[in-house]
Amino acid sequence: AQSVTQPDIHITVSEGASLELRCNYSYGATPYLFWYVQSPGQGLQLLLKYFSGDTLVQGIKGFEAEFKRSQSSFNLRKPSVHWSDAAEYFCAVLNEYGNKLVFGAGTILRVKS
Amino acid sequence: EPEVTQTPSHQVTQMGQEVILRCVPISNHLYFYWYRQILGQKVEFLVSFYNNEISEKSEIFDDQFSVERPDGSNFTLKIRSTKLEDSAMYFCASSRVAGGSYNEQFFGPGTRLTVL
Repeated sequence: AQSVTQPDIHITVSEGASLELRCNYSYGATPYLFWYVQSPGQGLQLLLKYFSGDTLVQGIKGFEAEFKRSQSSFNLRKPSVHWSDAAEYFCAVLNEYGNKLVFGAGTILRVKS
Repeated sequence: EPEVTQTPSHQVTQMGQEVILRCVPISNHLYFYWYRQILGQKVEFLVSFYNNEISEKSEIFDDQFSVERPDGSNFTLKIRSTKLEDSAMYFCASSRVAGGSYNEQFFGPGTRLTVL
């Protein structure tokens, strides 16, 4: 069965610093991978997705993620974090039938000024 | 931009009562989902629904839960007899297709269910 691991429960970065959130997945075939962001009291907003092709994908709000098959990873990055990026970030993988997302436990990002 | 909507935003109920959570998916989407997130925990899949039937369900989705598309626009989740442990945020999602490169699930803002 598919699974997603986000090793960092909390991360704190200074405003303007770079960010990398880690995600490792377990899946037998080519995975469909997603990053979602959840601001306090809000729903889940899709940041970016990987289906195939270029392993570096660009998303909204200046985020990007790189798919590395050899490491079973799909880490999220941003070169310069803004205070408004403080939120919880979820990595997810689609199951083989395409009808279920499996989420990681999430990483809470705190941005200090 | 089209979006998934959910009502109510917050529901408080007594243990043992029935609740119905409502969702209006994006209009040209064909696949519908419910997920839940217990406070402080990960988002968990409950059920997916296509062509008026369940296509996948998790072990959480037992006989106390049911889903329905009563008309052309609404998608509902019913919990027959709520338990304390059903307290969670419930998210509805929809997608145009399932599988393949077009399966992007769009999530609603959620309904926070509190069972007392």
